[in-house]
Amino acid sequence: DQQVKQNSPSLSVQEGRISILNCDYTNSMFDYFLWYKKYPAEGPTFLISISSIKDKNEDGRFTVFLNKSAKHLSLHIVPSQPGDSAVYFCAASLDNYGQNFVFGPGTRLSVLP
Amino acid sequence: GAGVSQSPSNKVTEKGKDVELRCDPISGHTALYWYRQSLGQGLEFLIYFQGNSAPDKSGLPSDRFSAERTGGSVSTLTIQRTQQEDSAVYLCASSPTSSYYNEQFFGPGTRLTVL
Repeated sequence: DQQVKQNSPSLSVQEGRISILNCDYTNSMFDYFLWYKKYPAEGPTFLISISSIKDKNEDGRFTVFLNKSAKHLSLHIVPSQPGDSAVYFCAASLDNYGQNFVFGPGTRLSVLP
Repeated sequence: GAGVSQSPSNKVTEKGKDVELRCDPISGHTALYWYRQSLGQGLEFLIYFQGNSAPDKSGLPSDRFSAERTGGSVSTLTIQRTQQEDSAVYLCASSPTSSYYNEQFFGPGTRLTVL
């Protein structure tokens, strides 16, 4: 059973609009969450993170929201750009030092010009 | 370059053969991880090395899988008697000295195809 779920395998958004990528988790012990972006033939690259003591973290066009009671987090990209087209992975940390991550299956975002 | 490198980038092998995948982490990073990503799946944790400590092997799917890290740097993941279900992209990542919630830096991966 997947502990980290990304129920939308793909998402298409028009350039300039908002992209919202969702992630749900089942283990209430997760206390740190990250988003990674992956282009084809490259390894994932870190995008943004959030600790469970916060409900929002913003970095430029990227904002991550965390709803602990719903065990749900989302990544907002505003405005979306064609270069944002990639696979986005949500990951959650099980232990205090964040060394044991559980990754979701990813959502493929396509930003259309 | 200064990033994590992996070799080979692609490996095609026959069922039953052994394969070795190599990872060169970022210089100075003490933590090293191996993951694999099967088609349509997320990244599956395999093994974690931290400095000179005993590795965390809890993610290895069977005893056909093993990994070592020599001199605290380069790591080799070995898969013995490969099976078709071993076909996946194998990703290596490294992170700096253990401290609270370090970002992991990933290599480009090795795509393994077992015929």
